[in-house]
Amino acid sequence: KAGVTQTPRYLIKTRGQQVTLSCSPISGHRSVSWYQQTPGQGLQFLFEYFSETQRNKGNFPGRFSGRQFSNSRSEMNVSTLELGDSALYLCASSPGLRYEQYFGPGTRLTVT
Amino acid sequence: AQSVSQHNHHVILSEAASLELGCNYSYGGTVNLFWYVQYPGQHLQLLLKYFSGDPLVKGIKGFEAEFIKSKFSFNLRKPSVQWSDTAEYFCAVNPASGGSYIPTFGRGTSLIVHP
Repeated sequence: KAGVTQTPRYLIKTRGQQVTLSCSPISGHRSVSWYQQTPGQGLQFLFEYFSETQRNKGNFPGRFSGRQFSNSRSEMNVSTLELGDSALYLCASSPGLRYEQYFGPGTRLTVT
Repeated sequence: AQSVSQHNHHVILSEAASLELGCNYSYGGTVNLFWYVQYPGQHLQLLLKYFSGDPLVKGIKGFEAEFIKSKFSFNLRKPSVQWSDTAEYFCAVNPASGGSYIPTFGRGTSLIVHP
């Protein structure tokens, strides 16, 4: 089976812009989660989608949003980018809620 | 709120040495427990998991972990490490039941194995 794929792999944006990241889960997986990884804060959970519905949400501001499509593919959007949003954004898919997660390679976002 | 603590941030070992990485969590209910590994230049990948049953679980590449409920711990072990085990190791916890939840990861332990 193909693994989790994320596009783009690298992104440079300017403060104030918005960005959309994309994730394709492993075939058959219905749960997709997003994480932010930084050296200072480690891996922090953003949100999880299952069957097109957001099921869980971490402690991030409303500028961070996501959605899931009927084919389980997911997108994450960050509006009004801040310098502190520079991070590696990881997508993970799972067969279901609370199960083990399978991670993609991440999107490295740099905000200047 | 639940939390996960990995006590060792950096571990340096020689090949053939034994490894034990500590993981403690704080959560009052039943949990699902995981160890993930990130080899240099690679994705995070699952090393092993515990949902229920035998508290001693075996994972890939000779790793095992023991769930001690009374100590809220899920320590990772390997009897004899290899140079190829050099990686970052993350412990993670999910509540096993209930409503909404936040999957929680430890800060990670960087393991360097010298040949």
